[in-house]
Amino acid sequence: AQSVTQLGSHVSVSEGALVLLRCNYSSSVPPYLFWYVQYPNQGLQLLLKYTSAATLVKGINGFEAEFKKSETSFHLTKPSAHMSDAAEYFCAVKANSKLTFGKGITLSVRP
Amino acid sequence: EAGVAQSPRYKIIEKRQSVAFWCNPISGHATLYWYQQILGQGPKLLIQFQNNGVVDDSQLPKDRFSAERLKGVDSTLKIQPAKLEDSAVYLCASSLEGAFVDTQYFGPGTRLTVL
Repeated sequence: AQSVTQLGSHVSVSEGALVLLRCNYSSSVPPYLFWYVQYPNQGLQLLLKYTSAATLVKGINGFEAEFKKSETSFHLTKPSAHMSDAAEYFCAVKANSKLTFGKGITLSVRP
Repeated sequence: EAGVAQSPRYKIIEKRQSVAFWCNPISGHATLYWYQQILGQGPKLLIQFQNNGVVDDSQLPKDRFSAERLKGVDSTLKIQPAKLEDSAVYLCASSLEGAFVDTQYFGPGTRLTVL
């Protein structure tokens, strides 16, 4: 079985500050890992994905994530938050062909 | 390239009524998924189609939910009869072949409220 843990439900940062959204996974086989973003009243949009190549993955809108097998983590970061980054972020793991999502984290950006 | 289309965007019904949602995937995508997203939770897979065949429906409540994908293109998801706990956003997604590395592309979802 596979699972994703996203601790906390809400993160608030100031505009220009570092964004760090945490994700830990559990999988019995080597996983593929994904971060999706969901803006209000919209579907999920892929930010980035790890597919066993480079452990540091760069995505859209300046986001990146690092796969750390020893820590079973895939944390999402962005050096400088922008107001337009306010949204809900979902980490997901894919093993044995099924995509399993975490419960999501809401990111707020203060001016 | 047109994205995944879903309709309606919003639906309000009374419990015990029936409801249907429609999804049109990205052109050429063989695999189609229906997810249920309850408020405060991540999406949960209900059913996965490969062309017009079912690959995985292990989490579909088959006593009240049904889905079909005629001709391997668009799909409908039906709930009959609806319960209060069915209130959620129903997301449709599609991918090229359903391979392990495929990216799933999501539609805007249908928000269902059951009163």
